[in-house]
Amino acid sequence: RKEVEQDPGPFNVPEGATVAFNCTYSNSASQSFFWYRQDCRKEPKLLMSVYSSGNEDGRFTAQLNRASQYISLLIRDSKLSDSATYLCVVLLHTGRRALTFGSGTRLQVQP
Amino acid sequence: EAQVTQNPRYLITVTGKKLTVTCSQNMNHEYMSWYRQDPGLGLRQIYYSMNVEVTDKGDVPEGYKVSRKEKRNFPLILESPSPNQTSLYFCASSQFGDTGELFFGEGSRLTVL
Repeated sequence: RKEVEQDPGPFNVPEGATVAFNCTYSNSASQSFFWYRQDCRKEPKLLMSVYSSGNEDGRFTAQLNRASQYISLLIRDSKLSDSATYLCVVLLHTGRRALTFGSGTRLQVQP
Repeated sequence: EAQVTQNPRYLITVTGKKLTVTCSQNMNHEYMSWYRQDPGLGLRQIYYSMNVEVTDKGDVPEGYKVSRKEKRNFPLILESPSPNQTSLYFCASSQFGDTGELFFGEGSRLTVL
C-alpha cells in the first residue's frame, strides 16, 4: 500500500465548476500536510498547507481529517489556469524533512 | 532572484558513463534534497543533506552518490548509470521549520541508453 494515495484522474471540468480532490495517508504519526501544484513538465510549487481546523486561500479550501487519515482540496470557480497536477504531501519526520509525495491528481479545466 | 539551479536540464547518456547533475541554491538554505519522479510513482527522495558535510540516504539511494562541501551546492553523481535511472530529477532546498515549503529546481531529464 502506498503511503500517500491519490486518484490520478484526470478530472475534466468546465470553467466555473467546483472540484474536490481527496488524498489518504497510511501513517497515523504524520505530522504536517500540504498541497503542491505541478504544471506539465515543471517543478512542483507549494500551493497551501493544510491545518487541522481547515483553511482557505481565495478559491482554494483544504481540510484534514486525522481520524480517517485523509486530506482534501476544494477548488471553487475553476479557471483555465488551474489546469495542473495537484500533489498531496505528508511530512513524517521533522528532523529529516521526509516529505512523502502522492503521485498527483491531474485537473484539466475546459472552456 | 531566489532560485534553485540544476544542470544539465536534459541529458542522454549511455550505460556506465559517469555523470554529475549539479544543483545550486542562492537562498542560504541549510536543507537540500534530490528527488526522482517517475510516472505513477510520484516524487521519491534519493538523498538529502541537513547541512554542509551532512548527507543521508533517502528512500531510493541505490546507484547514486552526493556531496555537500559548500552550503549552496549539492551535486548528484551517477557513477555507473543504468537504464532504470532514466527519470526526471529534481533538486530542492528549504530552510528548517515545518512550513513544508521546498523550493525546487526546474528539473533534469535524464535518459540512459
